[in-house]
Amino acid sequence: QVQLQESGPGLVKPSQTLSLTCTVSGGSISGGDYYWSWIRQPAGKGLEYIGRIYTIGRTDYNPSLKSRVTISIDTSKNQFSLRLSSVTATDTAVYYCARGIISGGYYYGIDYWGQGTLVTVSS
Amino acid sequence: ETTLTQSPAFMSATPGDKVNISCKASQDIDDDMNWYQQKPGEAAIFIIQEAITLVPGTPPRFSGSGYGTDFTLTINNIESEDAAYYFCLQHDNFPLTFGQGTKLEIK
Repeated sequence: QVQLQESGPGLVKPSQTLSLTCTVSGGSISGGDYYWSWIRQPAGKGLEYIGRIYTIGRTDYNPSLKSRVTISIDTSKNQFSLRLSSVTATDTAVYYCARGIISGGYYYGIDYWGQGTLVTVSS
Repeated sequence: ETTLTQSPAFMSATPGDKVNISCKASQDIDDDMNWYQQKPGEAAIFIIQEAITLVPGTPPRFSGSGYGTDFTLTINNIESEDAAYYFCLQHDNFPLTFGQGTKLEIK
């Protein structure tokens, strides 16, 4: 059973960089049949897709956040990470990591999610 | 970007009821629609894939329907354990987008 677990600071100051790591267990992050995603949900609002990374390191970012987002992958640790720069209070949210499926060159949706971690942006 | 309009935002049901949750896409997404169940403090669970296919392990009282722009998640003979937050996701185009979610309460 694949499990994903987010970790990182729960409090970040405005203008600083938010950094989170997702540790994958129960399966290898190196398999080419998956993409690895970050998603967030501000309190009382809907889910927002931040971006994804593939095992080869290629990334796709939501245009709404592209200028501030970096997603990276460390296959030796079975982890992938999110960095969001120049944060403001509007970046306060529960952040989720998740796995998506690629099969036959076709991109399917997400099959496994982490539990999520709350990150608050405040001085 | 595809906008998903999910309704209702909240619903209350009694054990044994049948409920429908709707998700409407702002453009044609074929059958690229998934549904998820999430309980407080837990990871979301994948319950319906490609609009109509039950993910292995999903109880058969759950079903999905729809194609193109209109999709529905149906729960028949509701049980108390079905109390949760449900949301839809489209993966037809990037970025993936989500419905606003439905909180289902069981009386």
